[in-house]
Amino acid sequence: EAGVAQSPRYKIIEKRQSVAFWCNPISGHATLYWYQQILGQGPKLLIQFQNNGVVDDSQLPKDRFSAERLKGVDSTLKIQPAKLEDSAVYLCASSPYKGTEAFFGQGTRLTVV
Amino acid sequence: KNQVEQSPQSLIILEGKNCTLQCNYTVSPFSNLRWYKQDTGRGPVSLTIMTFSENTKSNGRYTATLDADTKQSSLHITASQLSDSASYICVVSRMNNAGNMLTFGGGTRLMVKP
Repeated sequence: EAGVAQSPRYKIIEKRQSVAFWCNPISGHATLYWYQQILGQGPKLLIQFQNNGVVDDSQLPKDRFSAERLKGVDSTLKIQPAKLEDSAVYLCASSPYKGTEAFFGQGTRLTVV
Repeated sequence: KNQVEQSPQSLIILEGKNCTLQCNYTVSPFSNLRWYKQDTGRGPVSLTIMTFSENTKSNGRYTATLDADTKQSSLHITASQLSDSASYICVVSRMNNAGNMLTFGGGTRLMVKP
């Protein structure tokens, strides 16, 4: 069974530039999560999708972050414009509907300079 | 507020020694608790899952405990190996109609030295 795929693995951009991350969850998984993990900290939920609907985006900085999952399968997370404090690893995870385990991708490491 | 607190933040032990990591939570209603291992540069991977009725569960050299009354869990690693060097993250789930809502702890960074 293929795991959660994320791209790119690494990205370096200048502040005020835009960036987009892509995630392809495990086939058939209804729930998709995007997390931000700052170095030395645990992951922080940015947004959670149930199929193509948003379940929780309370911690998403909506003035600069946006995410979509148009067909209920893969998803993109965008930052526009980026700030220095956005430097982090962005993890995507998926789980079956009401599944008890989240399966994680390897993450995208973003550096904003 | 749903929170998960872990201690210690970091730990250094010698190869072959045992260690215990702690997790306290205030998540409600409780569905289950998982311990994840996160190697450097990788996504977290589940080690164990604890449900309300379970007190102890083992997975090889990893043993997790859960006290649902005091809302505490621990992860005990026996006879540590160099490959155990990683972050260990406690994740507590609550289930609602929207699905599985996860609350992450900050993690314990374990370093095993030869």
